[in-house]
Amino acid sequence: AQSVTQPDIHITVSEGASLELRCNYSYGATPYLFWYVQSPGQGLQLLLKYFSGDTLVQGIKGFEAEFKRSQSSFNLRKPSVHWSDAAEYFCAVGGFTGGGNKLTFGTGTQLKVEL
Amino acid sequence: DTEVTQTPKHLVMGMTNKKSLKCEQHMGHRAMYWYKQKAKKPPELMFVYSYEKLSINESVPSRFSPECPNSSLLNLHLHALQPEDSALYLCASSHHQDPRGGYTFGSGTRLTVV
Repeated sequence: AQSVTQPDIHITVSEGASLELRCNYSYGATPYLFWYVQSPGQGLQLLLKYFSGDTLVQGIKGFEAEFKRSQSSFNLRKPSVHWSDAAEYFCAVGGFTGGGNKLTFGTGTQLKVEL
Repeated sequence: DTEVTQTPKHLVMGMTNKKSLKCEQHMGHRAMYWYKQKAKKPPELMFVYSYEKLSINESVPSRFSPECPNSSLLNLHLHALQPEDSALYLCASSHHQDPRGGYTFGSGTRLTVV
């Protein structure tokens, strides 16, 4: 079964500081990995995705993520955080399993940005 | 058109009411999903439709009844809900078997059961 672990429930960073959100996955085959962001009361916006090729992927809003197969990780990074980045961040793993295409989310990391 | 549109945005219903949530996409996706999200929790998969057929039901109570009338529309019929069913209901769509295109989410329907 596919699963995702986000070990940090809450993270607080100062505006302008760098950010890294951790994500570990479990999947039997080549994983399709995603990072989504959700602002309060809103739907989910895709930041970036990985399925093959270059293990460092670039996304929207200045985010990037690095896939490390040996560590089963897909950590999200941003070199300089802006106050508007405060939101909930979800790592997710997708794939065709059990007769259908499934996307499974981690528990999320709440990001707070201090001005 | 790269959006998934959900209506209504907000819904308040009594425990004896019958209501429906609607979802529409025009991206040519042949897989559509319903997720339920409680406050401060991740989205949880409820149903998956592939080519308008129900392919995954994550042991959802029968008071939730999905329907996929065509390749662009997905409905969730609600009947005899409980207050604990209050949540944000998210619809999503994707290519059928290839997840590389990603999953596109609607902005959700916030449901309150009173």
